[in-house]
Amino acid sequence: QPVLTQSSSASASLGSSVKLTCTLSNGHSSYIIAWHQQQPGMAPRYLMKVEGSGSYNKGSGVPDRFSGSSSGADRYLTISNLQFEDEADYYCETWDSNTRVFGGGTKLTVL
Amino acid sequence: EVQLVESGGGPVQPGGSLTLSCAASGFTFSSYWMHWVRQAPGKGLVWVSHINSDGSTSSYAASVKGRFTISRDNARNTLYLEMSSLRAEDTAVYYCARENWETGASDPWGQGTLVTVSS
Repeated sequence: QPVLTQSSSASASLGSSVKLTCTLSNGHSSYIIAWHQQQPGMAPRYLMKVEGSGSYNKGSGVPDRFSGSSSGADRYLTISNLQFEDEADYYCETWDSNTRVFGGGTKLTVL
Repeated sequence: EVQLVESGGGPVQPGGSLTLSCAASGFTFSSYWMHWVRQAPGKGLVWVSHINSDGSTSSYAASVKGRFTISRDNARNTLYLEMSSLRAEDTAVYYCARENWETGASDPWGQGTLVTVSS
């Protein structure tokens, strides 16, 4: 089954941009992934899916500041014009026929 | 509005049993695969189980296989997770999530229900 690897933490300044990475394991570089945001004390919220081609499809109500991209086995979530409410844990998710896998999550701090 | 509301969590002793429910509304429940995902305190998300739209097929994470049973009642728009032989390491917030058939992703998520396994 696929394995997803994320950095445990990231930080960036208010108003700047940050790019979070989710890396697919060997043999799974073509997989689609989804990004989810989990603000403190809240349930996760779907942000977007990102395909190996780099195309992405955002969920309803997700601000334009959020975008996705891809390179090889890496799937990215870029947040522009960072706001304090973007401070959250970000998880990537992928799936195959019999299982669903999450990355370990990246804790984003907005300075 | 699409909504998922979990219930049934609470304290339980090691070795005990508990059944979680997830009430769905705002969409045709019987058309969607559904999932349970858990999150131990301070930890990340871990997939637990899924069930197909008519309840005929299910799958489990290795850590819960043989102890947990997922089911659904499409007439009642409700998803269930029966948990038995509970262990301290099952302590977590349990979320139900719909599998979005357009994207494949878990979307949306319920608010979660906390299960605490402790003596």
